[in-house]
Amino acid sequence: KAGVTQTPRYLIKTRGQQVTLSCSPISGHRSVSWYQQTPGQGLQFLFEYFSETQRNKGNFPGRFSGRQFSNSRSEMNVSTLELGDSALYLCASTPRRGGGEQYFGPGTRLTVT
Amino acid sequence: DAKTTQPPSMDCAEGRAANLPCNHSTISGNEYVYWYRQIHSQGPQYIIHGLKNNETNEMASLIITEDRKSSTLILPHATLRDTAVYYCIVRSHLNTGTASKLTFGTGTRLQVTL
Repeated sequence: KAGVTQTPRYLIKTRGQQVTLSCSPISGHRSVSWYQQTPGQGLQFLFEYFSETQRNKGNFPGRFSGRQFSNSRSEMNVSTLELGDSALYLCASTPRRGGGEQYFGPGTRLTVT
Repeated sequence: DAKTTQPPSMDCAEGRAANLPCNHSTISGNEYVYWYRQIHSQGPQYIIHGLKNNETNEMASLIITEDRKSSTLILPHATLRDTAVYYCIVRSHLNTGTASKLTFGTGTRLQVTL
């Protein structure tokens, strides 16, 4: 069974631009969560989607948003990029809500200049 | 979810057992102990989890003390590929509102050496 895939793997953007990152969960997994990892703040939860609905949100500004499609694929969007948004963005999937065994993708490394 | 405390770093010789401790003194009865690891620049990888009994799988063993206030992850024969940051996470299965949220601490950086 294929793992979680994320595209693109690397991205360079300029301040003020917006960016969309994509995540394809493991086949059959319906819950997708997103995390941001920076050297200063570590791994922080962004949001979780299940059945195309955002179920839980971390403490991030409204510039960070996401969505989930009927096939469980998910996208996250960051608008009006700031230098501090430079980070590794990780997507994780799990078969159902409540499952603590999450399977992470390789991440998208976003650099904002 | 309960807070966890881990040593910032540990060393282990290749072939020896790596014992990674975690303190979770405020754990409540419905909270599980999870372990993940993150090899440099990769996504975290689930290792093992448990409630109160010791658990073992193909990757590791998890020993939870009887009072559940601490646990130890054991990698029986560490290899260079086990060099990573190891995270101990405590979470409840009951609150489905925050079910999939994992709260990562700073973890333990394990360095396996020749």
